[in-house]
Amino acid sequence: EAQVTQNPRYLITVTGKKLTVTCSQNMNHEYMSWYRQDPGLGLRQIYYSMNVEVTDKGDVPEGYKVSRKEKRNFPLILESPSPNQTSLYFCASTFGTSGQETQYFGPGTRLLVL
Amino acid sequence: AQKVTQAQTEISVVEKEDVTLDCVYETRDTTYYLFWYKQPPSGELVFLIRRNSFDEQNEISGRYSWNFQKSTSSFNFTITASQVVDSAVYFCALSDRGTYKYIFGTGTRLKVLA
Repeated sequence: EAQVTQNPRYLITVTGKKLTVTCSQNMNHEYMSWYRQDPGLGLRQIYYSMNVEVTDKGDVPEGYKVSRKEKRNFPLILESPSPNQTSLYFCASTFGTSGQETQYFGPGTRLLVL
Repeated sequence: AQKVTQAQTEISVVEKEDVTLDCVYETRDTTYYLFWYKQPPSGELVFLIRRNSFDEQNEISGRYSWNFQKSTSSFNFTITASQVVDSAVYFCALSDRGTYKYIFGTGTRLKVLA
């Protein structure tokens, strides 16, 4: 079954404690992306990756890091989480060039930073 | 700069009514892609449609239809004979060709009452 998986699905942490949210896709997609969803703001793109070792900033990259060492995985790293990073996070992947294909979204990770 | 505006924050209708969700976009690019996604109460993001900027044909899929008008920079979504299962948040999104960046609107929450 074609899918994007994220782990963990729910996470409560404290300010400053480094965490990683994993994202994996089994569709051999080149393009992957991370979004955060906040009430009243919709989804905002954090980082995206066009292929292995190729990443770029989205609209809200501050406080986040990503890496793309393998095609299937695109982890999101919060080196020192702060309460304003409390949000719902989605990973997505797509095959091919920008806008040409459907973005498949993971189930979401709900993060609470105390 | 790219921008997507969904001015309707929340809409309530009674089952079987028709409802139109508005989406207005801004972009300087001449080639771009527009999307609609559905987010039901369970939280996942479901792809509904992609429209290329050079294809202004309207599309109908069952009870769903989309009206793309470049002249007014709008890509509106109509649900005919709405059902309770249509209750969700609906997002409109824009991506300029070659940018790999997706800009989402803030979403419209649709409540369909039985």
